[in-house]
Amino acid sequence: NAGVTQTPKFRILKIGQSMTLQCTQDMNHNYMYWYRQDPGMGLKLIYYSVGAGITDKGEVPNGYNVSRSTTEDFPLRLELAAPSQTSVYFCASSADGKNTEAFFGQGTRLTVV
Amino acid sequence: GENVEQHPSTLSVQEGDSAVIKCTYSDSASNYFPWYKQELGKRPQLIIDIRSNVGEKKDQRIAVTLNKTAKHFSLHITETQPEDSAVYFCAASLGGGADGLTFGKGTHLIIQP
Repeated sequence: NAGVTQTPKFRILKIGQSMTLQCTQDMNHNYMYWYRQDPGMGLKLIYYSVGAGITDKGEVPNGYNVSRSTTEDFPLRLELAAPSQTSVYFCASSADGKNTEAFFGQGTRLTVV
Repeated sequence: GENVEQHPSTLSVQEGDSAVIKCTYSDSASNYFPWYKQELGKRPQLIIDIRSNVGEKKDQRIAVTLNKTAKHFSLHITETQPEDSAVYFCAASLGGGADGLTFGKGTHLIIQP
């Protein structure tokens, strides 16, 4: 059972470039999340989704976009990369509104130069 | 929105001693309070959680207490072991966890041999 899988693990982007961080889960979870983790700052919610076709903004959505066309996949899109987006990105999923343990992917370390 | 404060930022204890990490939250409507452990370079993993209708929960050497009136909750680790060394994050959620978590900034727990 793979759980939550993120790709890539590492990426270096130039300012203004775009990329998509991939996230897929094989636990048939309805809820999925994207967080970013900056040193000494904990994790901050970027976007979340409560099911296919439904997405909502979290605390820090500016500069990002998401889509949820299937239950399994929840990609995060950066359109115009900026140095402020240098961070570690974690995707997570949880089963439903009652079984809310969040299972995290292994993270993507992104550097924008 | 919700705001979670976590203290201390670093905690060093002798192996075998107890460790206590404290968090406060701002929104009295928050109803779900998980604790995550993150080892260096790894993903966060849930170690224990508590809901607002419960005052205390234990799981072997780990316990969490919740004081709704004061809006604070604490993690207690007894008989600490070297493998307890990690960064611990508290979090709070308004929607039982389904709409994402607001994290504290983390506590780096160091177990001295």
